[in-house]
Amino acid sequence: DAMVIQNPRYQVTQFGKPVTLSCSQTLNHNVMYWYQQKSSQAPKLLFHYYDKDFNNEADTPDNFQSRRPNTSFCFLDIRSPGLGDAAMYLCATSRGYGSGQPQHFGDGTRLSIL
Amino acid sequence: TQLLEQSPQFLSIQEGENLTVYCNSSSVFSSLQWYRQEPGEGPVLLVTVVTGGEVKKLKRLTFQFGDARKDSSLHITAAQPGDTGLYLCAGGRYGGATNKLIFGTGTLLAVQP
Repeated sequence: DAMVIQNPRYQVTQFGKPVTLSCSQTLNHNVMYWYQQKSSQAPKLLFHYYDKDFNNEADTPDNFQSRRPNTSFCFLDIRSPGLGDAAMYLCATSRGYGSGQPQHFGDGTRLSIL
Repeated sequence: TQLLEQSPQFLSIQEGENLTVYCNSSSVFSSLQWYRQEPGEGPVLLVTVVTGGEVKKLKRLTFQFGDARKDSSLHITAAQPGDTGLYLCAGGRYGGATNKLIFGTGTLLAVQP
């Protein structure tokens, strides 16, 4: 089945130690998104790519970076995680831009900071 | 700023009861999507509504888009424990060039057996 896969499902890192989360998709969608979601709250968009065109949300901290080396993969790098960065990180894809197009989400990576 | 307020924020009901979740905004959206997120998983799309006044049914779930495209509701008939989860509405920007969704504040539903 075509899907959005996130690895790992659970990640524990130390305060200040860089961490990378990965996302892959078999849907061949042009757009990939990274969201941060804290407990039972709505997902908060961090950034998104249309192909290789990168779009950063204005309030995304500089601590967060992203890479999309090809259509299938997208990475979220947190350079110096703080305690406030503990959250669920969700990757999503959509076929393209255009209102009404559904976004397909992975199951997320839950990040804990020690 | 386009905000989508959902109510209620939390809802705990018994199996078999009916419920309605509301999603309201002062802004117009070109489309409205509803997602359900179960614990430990990503949101899953339930429905997309695009026409003012549109009603869609998905088994026991009924979705309605307001006539003015500013609000939406989700009604569940005879709720079951499997309906438990976080329900999120998400609005598509009217005339927007990107598919950035504006997510609602969420409604956490617990259905007790």
